[in-house]
Amino acid sequence: KAGVTQTPRYLIKTRGQQVTLSCSPISGHRSVSWYQQTPGQGLQFLFEYFSETQRNKGNFPGRFSGRQFSNSRSEMNVSTLELGDSALYLCASSGKTDNTDTQYFGPGTRLTVL
Amino acid sequence: QQPVQSPQAVILREGEDAVINCSSSKALYSVHWYRQKHGEAPVFLMILLKGGEQKGHEKISASFNEKKQQSSLYLTASQLSYSGTYFCGTQRLGTDKLIFGTGTRLQVFP
Repeated sequence: KAGVTQTPRYLIKTRGQQVTLSCSPISGHRSVSWYQQTPGQGLQFLFEYFSETQRNKGNFPGRFSGRQFSNSRSEMNVSTLELGDSALYLCASSGKTDNTDTQYFGPGTRLTVL
Repeated sequence: QQPVQSPQAVILREGEDAVINCSSSKALYSVHWYRQKHGEAPVFLMILLKGGEQKGHEKISASFNEKKQQSSLYLTASQLSYSGTYFCGTQRLGTDKLIFGTGTRLQVFP
């Protein structure tokens, strides 16, 4: 099976702009989670989508939003970018291991905000 | 609610052993362990379930102490390839969300 793919891999934006990141999960996986990874904060949970519905949400401002399509592909959008949004954004799709959902990560999108 | 990992960093010589701990203040259903190499995505290592057995994967194994809500990852006879940052992800009882610790950076030198 192909792994989780994310596009683009790198992005450079300026403050105030918006950005959309894309994630294609492993075939058959219906759950997609998004994380922000920074050196100081580690992996911070943004939100999770399952069957086109947001199932869980982390503690991020409303500038961060997402959606999931009927084919389970997911997009994440960040509006009005701030310098502090510079990070690696990871997407993970969930599959069963020992009857429990296990997350498999994509390579990430590295966003730099200037 | 973020689990606490200790130590924050470990430096080893090849062949040495290490233990990484992950503690939560909440009752857990499962603990997931991942390793992330520099510039790469986190890779799933193993999962520990409440009431489950200690897991093993080559020379890397882990346990889950339900009384303490703590999981430990054991790396024995470390190899250069073990270098990376190890994250634990905890799932609380009654939820399906994973919360990750801040990571433990492991460096193995020849």
